[in-house]
Amino acid sequence: GENVEQHPSTLSVQEGDSAVIKCTYSDSASNYFPWYKQELGKRPQLIIDIRSNVGEKKDQRIAVTLNKTAKHFSLHITETQPEDSAVYFCAASLGAGSYQLTFGKGTKLSVIP
Amino acid sequence: GAVVSQHPSWVICKSGTSVKIECRSLDFQATTMFWYRQFPKQSLMLMATSNEGSKATYEQGVEKDKFLINHASLTLSTLTVTSAHPEDSSFYICSARGSGGLTYEQYFGPGTRLTVT
Repeated sequence: GENVEQHPSTLSVQEGDSAVIKCTYSDSASNYFPWYKQELGKRPQLIIDIRSNVGEKKDQRIAVTLNKTAKHFSLHITETQPEDSAVYFCAASLGAGSYQLTFGKGTKLSVIP
Repeated sequence: GAVVSQHPSWVICKSGTSVKIECRSLDFQATTMFWYRQFPKQSLMLMATSNEGSKATYEQGVEKDKFLINHASLTLSTLTVTSAHPEDSSFYICSARGSGGLTYEQYFGPGTRLTVT
C-alpha cells in the first residue's frame, strides 16, 4: 500500500518568514496530493491540492510543488502569519483511480509573532 | 459549498453500550464517504470507505461487526460503535467525496469526540 512520510514533525518560524513542509510517497501510481490544515479540535480543511499532471500550483501565499520522478511534494507558505499556526497534513491517493487517501503524520507549524 | 456536518459533536457513553454517529453532506451529493479515527496529536487513520447503496470496505484491522457503517443515501452515512469499550474513545471524523468521476477532493466533517467510561 501507499506510505507517506512527512517532515518535519514540528516547525517554528518567525512571522513573515517562509515555511516549507515536505512529503514523500511510495506508490508511483498515486495521482492526487492534497494538503490539509487542522486547528486544534477542529476539522481538517483542504487548503491546496495538486494532480500528477501538474508540477506546481499556487494560491496566494500557498504553493505546492510535485516531483513525480522523485516521488515527493512540498507545501510552501510565504509571509507567514500567526493564524497560519496549525497542524498540516499531506496526503496521497492510494494508487491510480483510487479515491482513498493516505495521510502523513502531520507537521505542527508555529508562527512566532 | 462542500459542507459536511457530523452529529453529535461529542458523546459520553458507558462501556457496553452502542453509539451512532451521523455524517451528512449538506450541499452536495456524496458518492463516497470515508470514516477516520484520530488519536490525540496523531494523524488520520482511515477506518472504512462507504459507497452509497453498497457495503462498506473496511481497512485491515478494523472490526466490521464493531464499527457498523451504513450509507443509505447520497447525503448520509452513519457509523455505529457497538458494545463500546474505553479503548474506543477517540475522535471520529468523516469525509465526503462529491459525485463525478474525476472528483478527488474530500471534505471533512467537524468530528465527534467519543468518550467511553
